[in-house]
Amino acid sequence: DTAVSQTPKYLVTQMGNDKSIKCEQNLGHDTMYWYKQDSKKFLKIMFSYNNKELIINETVPNRFSPKSPDKAHLNLHINSLELGDSAVYFCASSSLAGTGRFYGYTFGSGTRLTVV
Amino acid sequence: TQLLEQSPQFLSIQEGENLTVYCNSSSVFSSLQWYRQEPGEGPVLLVTVVTGGEVKKLKRLTFQFGDARKDSSLHITAAQPGDTGLYLCAGNLKNSGGSNYKLTFGKGTLLTVNP
Repeated sequence: DTAVSQTPKYLVTQMGNDKSIKCEQNLGHDTMYWYKQDSKKFLKIMFSYNNKELIINETVPNRFSPKSPDKAHLNLHINSLELGDSAVYFCASSSLAGTGRFYGYTFGSGTRLTVV
Repeated sequence: TQLLEQSPQFLSIQEGENLTVYCNSSSVFSSLQWYRQEPGEGPVLLVTVVTGGEVKKLKRLTFQFGDARKDSSLHITAAQPGDTGLYLCAGNLKNSGGSNYKLTFGKGTLLTVNP
């Protein structure tokens, strides 16, 4: 069973279109994230939800809108796609260990978005 | 400015050699993780260190967290082609308040181990 699954794996679309990426985790984690990895492999956080509540909202164009219908799902909708949006988008999830400490993320395998 | 500086950025070595990758910052972290990412996949967590001076071993990989919790190193002994990948360090800032789950990533070290 895939722990964090994203769909689609690849997305090629034209400028100006609207697209969505979906993410689901079956780990029982309470926090989910969207990260963007650029062509130089730098990972930067975009959003984070904890139990369906938005807790991190970095400086991201408002064309990007996350939605978390429940704590196992976090989707990303992008309006009016631009060339600069081309990147790999990763979903991740995390939870506190029994000690109450944060021990890191489980990532999905990514969605490669290409805007042409 | 980059919060976490990783070095070297690229490393190409022969099978059997040893190597060390560094992750440095001027900020103090509550915890620091190392991930490995292979092409077409997401990063996979290797280890988390939380205590200053902590050393953790994972087979041929040794991870160390600096005493002041501002830096970390990853040492690989007798590298193998299967160790090839992008190694990322990521830190969880101390006293980051409501964003205490937020990880800041370094830019990564791309390791190639040649047979």
